[in-house]
Amino acid sequence: GAGVSQSPSNKVTEKGKDVELRCDPISGHTALYWYRQSLGQGLEFLIYFQGNSAPDKSGLPSDRFSAERTGGSVSTLTIQRTQQEDSAVYLCASSSRGNTIYFGEGSWLTVV
Amino acid sequence: DQQVKQNSPSLSVQEGRISILNCDYTNSMFDYFLWYKKYPAEGPTFLISISSIKDKNEDGRFTVFLNKSAKHLSLHIVPSQPGDSAVYFCAASFGNEKLTFGTGTRLTIIP
Repeated sequence: GAGVSQSPSNKVTEKGKDVELRCDPISGHTALYWYRQSLGQGLEFLIYFQGNSAPDKSGLPSDRFSAERTGGSVSTLTIQRTQQEDSAVYLCASSSRGNTIYFGEGSWLTVV
Repeated sequence: DQQVKQNSPSLSVQEGRISILNCDYTNSMFDYFLWYKKYPAEGPTFLISISSIKDKNEDGRFTVFLNKSAKHLSLHIVPSQPGDSAVYFCAASFGNEKLTFGTGTRLTIIP
């Protein structure tokens, strides 16, 4: 497709389990972002990949969170030992060498 | 430290009137500003942007104003329509660095 694609769209997981969220950015976009939005909150920056540069991980809330981007394209956000406070919508976005970023529809994570 | 602030969490406007959404920032290095609109259960969509070399950018019913000395930008929607009801986020960046978002303002257009 032409837009940012995220999977799964919805995920319910038990507390303590690991989850992986996938993002397929717009073809040719060099920058990829992960944000999350908890209920009633704003958009919280998590991590930013730009080309071959070292990622900006300054927004990751704890060492249970990690992300990688293979081949400069698809990215996976991994949350280990999930907690209830991890419940949120996780949004991926991408951009070309410019400032307008385009978001996917999000992955809705519920930890029970 | 919230570098981009939207101090009004919600706003209600009569259909046909002007909606004005405000955003303040603290980092004087920001040189590019954007507004995004978000409907429930959807990702944010880009609405309009402005570079720091300008003080106004207009696109149809949407106009963004930038006051660099006050570190303030605003989004004007006129006339407001029911389909404009959504959460609006302002965002800022400098260079090609990551966007920093505000906390959002929920706009409700009253028919």
